[in-house]
Amino acid sequence: DVKVTQSSRYLVKRTGEKVFLECVQDMDHENMFWYRQDPGLGLRLIYFSYDVKMKEKGDIPEGYSVSREKKERFSLILESASTNQTSMYLCASTPRSGDEQFFGPGTRLTVL
Amino acid sequence: AQSVTQLGSHVSVSEGALVLLRCNYSSSVPPYLFWYVQYPNQGLQLLLKYTSAATLVKGINGFEAEFKKSETSFHLTKPSAHMSDAAEYFCAVRHSGGYQKVTFGTGTKLQVIP
Repeated sequence: DVKVTQSSRYLVKRTGEKVFLECVQDMDHENMFWYRQDPGLGLRLIYFSYDVKMKEKGDIPEGYSVSREKKERFSLILESASTNQTSMYLCASTPRSGDEQFFGPGTRLTVL
Repeated sequence: AQSVTQLGSHVSVSEGALVLLRCNYSSSVPPYLFWYVQYPNQGLQLLLKYTSAATLVKGINGFEAEFKKSETSFHLTKPSAHMSDAAEYFCAVRHSGGYQKVTFGTGTKLQVIP
């Protein structure tokens, strides 16, 4: 059974803190994605990676960075968390030649 | 650039009634289109996809969608709503530039009334 896991379901951080969100997939997929989901805005792509150590900016990369040191793991980093980064964060992966995106359960981040 | 528009952020239907969730796309090339469903407190999962084969696509849980090029639409339907269908539904289009990048619509929350 394919699986994408995210390190936390709920996270509360303070403004200015550095935040790490971890995503791991066990399907040997090449492509991995980070989205944020906000009511009325749907899912918006923050960053994606198509291979180890490779990354590309999505539609809303400001305030975020990513790291992909191993194929199965894709980390999202908030260098200095701000209240406007309070959101649901979803990780997904796909194989290089596939169509379907496989999603993790999401991390609901609250920045106080 | 590819994009999708979902009409109606909230849709309510009675149990047993027809479900119709609307999606229109914009694409300069033949699109790959998807419907995903998100149940409360879960990630998204694929309902169905259109990849230029049959225009009527059947998915899981009795859902289907019809690709209509003349109307640039890909509406999702189910003949008879069930309480378990209550969820948020997202239409999505895959980019032509590779890496399986996808743009999602803003979502439609389906409420099923007993």
